[in-house]
Amino acid sequence: NAGVTQTPKFQVLKTGQSMTLQCAQDMNHNSMYWYRQDPGMGLRLIYYSASEGTTDKGEVPNGYNVSRLNKREFSLRLESAAPSQTSVYFCASSEWGRGSDEQYFGPGTRLTVT
Amino acid sequence: DAKTTQPPSMDCAEGRAANLPCNHSTISGNEYVYWYRQIHSQGPQYIIHGLKNNETNEMASLIITEDRKSSTLILPHATLRDTAVYYCIVRVPTGNQFYFGTGTSLTVIP
Repeated sequence: NAGVTQTPKFQVLKTGQSMTLQCAQDMNHNSMYWYRQDPGMGLRLIYYSASEGTTDKGEVPNGYNVSRLNKREFSLRLESAAPSQTSVYFCASSEWGRGSDEQYFGPGTRLTVT
Repeated sequence: DAKTTQPPSMDCAEGRAANLPCNHSTISGNEYVYWYRQIHSQGPQYIIHGLKNNETNEMASLIITEDRKSSTLILPHATLRDTAVYYCIVRVPTGNQFYFGTGTSLTVIP
C-alpha cells in the first residue's frame, strides 16, 4: 500500500495563477482532509470530506475549493493564488466512525506563491 | 481557539523517558485526547489516543488525569529518532476535525 500520495511535491506559482493539488489514498478510508502548515506553525484544517459526496469547511477555507472526486481522491484548488497561500499542504485520510479515527498523512506539497 | 496548551520545547537524554505534558482544562466529557508527532517537515504521525483510562501501545503511554484536564505522553526510552514536534489534540465531537496547536518540540540529546 502506498498510503496517502500527493502531487506535486513542489510548486512555484505567480500571484493570480491557479492550480490543483491532488491527493489519493488506497486504504479505502471514508474521510479525507486538507491542511496547511505555515513556517513554525501547527497544521490548520482547510476543508474536509467526511464521506464520498460531502465536503465541509475547516478553519481556513477562504481562497480554496475542494472536490471529492471519488472515495480515493480529494483535490484542493487555488483559483487565484496569493503570496499568503505560500505554505506546505498536507492531505490526510481516516476511517471515521470505526475505531481510532487515526489520520494518515501524505508527504506534503510545498507551494510558493511569488 | 486552541483547546490545548503545551510547552514550546523540551530536551531529553537518549535512553531516558520523555514526559510531554498537555493541558486541556476545557475538555468535554466525550472528547478524546490524541497525540501526533511530526518529524522534520514530514506529514504528522499518529502515536496514541485515549478518553479516560491510561493507554499504552508499542510507541508510547498516555496518562490522563482523573479530572481529564491534563495528560502526559510518555516515551519510555527516547532515541534520537524521537526528535520531533509533538502535538496534543482534543477531538471535536461534532465532526472529525483535528485542531493542531504549535506543539512541543522535543530534542533527544545523545
